[in-house]
Amino acid sequence: GDSVTQMEGPVTLSEEAFLTINCTYTATGYPSLFWYVQYPGEGLQLLLKATKADDKGSNKGFEATYRKETTSFHLEKGSVQVSDSAVYFCALSDTGTASKLTFGTGTRLQVTL
Amino acid sequence: GAVVSQHPSRVICKSGTSVKIECRSLDFQATTMFWYRQFPKQSLMLMATSNEGSKATYEQGVEKDKFLINHASLTLSTLTVTSAHPEDSSFYICSASRTSGGADTQYFGPGTRLTVL
Repeated sequence: GDSVTQMEGPVTLSEEAFLTINCTYTATGYPSLFWYVQYPGEGLQLLLKATKADDKGSNKGFEATYRKETTSFHLEKGSVQVSDSAVYFCALSDTGTASKLTFGTGTRLQVTL
Repeated sequence: GAVVSQHPSRVICKSGTSVKIECRSLDFQATTMFWYRQFPKQSLMLMATSNEGSKATYEQGVEKDKFLINHASLTLSTLTVTSAHPEDSSFYICSASRTSGGADTQYFGPGTRLTVL
């Protein structure tokens, strides 16, 4: 079955540091890939997505590239801010839509001054 | 826009009782709603998908008689955990989508933490 593996947290960074959160997946066919973010006390929000190989999703300075050859969708940001502190979830959908999402375990990011 | 609320945010109940969790889309009509369960340090696991006015579709291994889902309107879905036991303690999250089958982005609620004593 489908699965998503992402790095365990917590990840603690100083403000303006470079962020990478690794995500790899296993799926049949050609899934769509997503990153969701959950700020404290709030629901998950879609951060970015990519629907086919070599697509790059980007939003709020975050980027992730759909790498079919390595089955990866790593999340990156060049300079994190304290306000980026949250839990980040990688997810896939093998139906090509946002339905029936398979999630990773989530990675908590803590950014300090 | 696209705000989803859940109520209650936390609930503690005695073993054997039933608990109802509400999921509301506040500023849009949700044709499809999803219910997830999350154990500590684990993924969100999809429990069921419900379309307004029809029976929910449950994922394999989820007991439909234990986890009753009602999606009677385009803005409200409820999850009732019947005869709750300590192993039902978990974090329950709902999401809502504007279109049938969830072909639109899912908008998530903040979750409900259930503790069964």
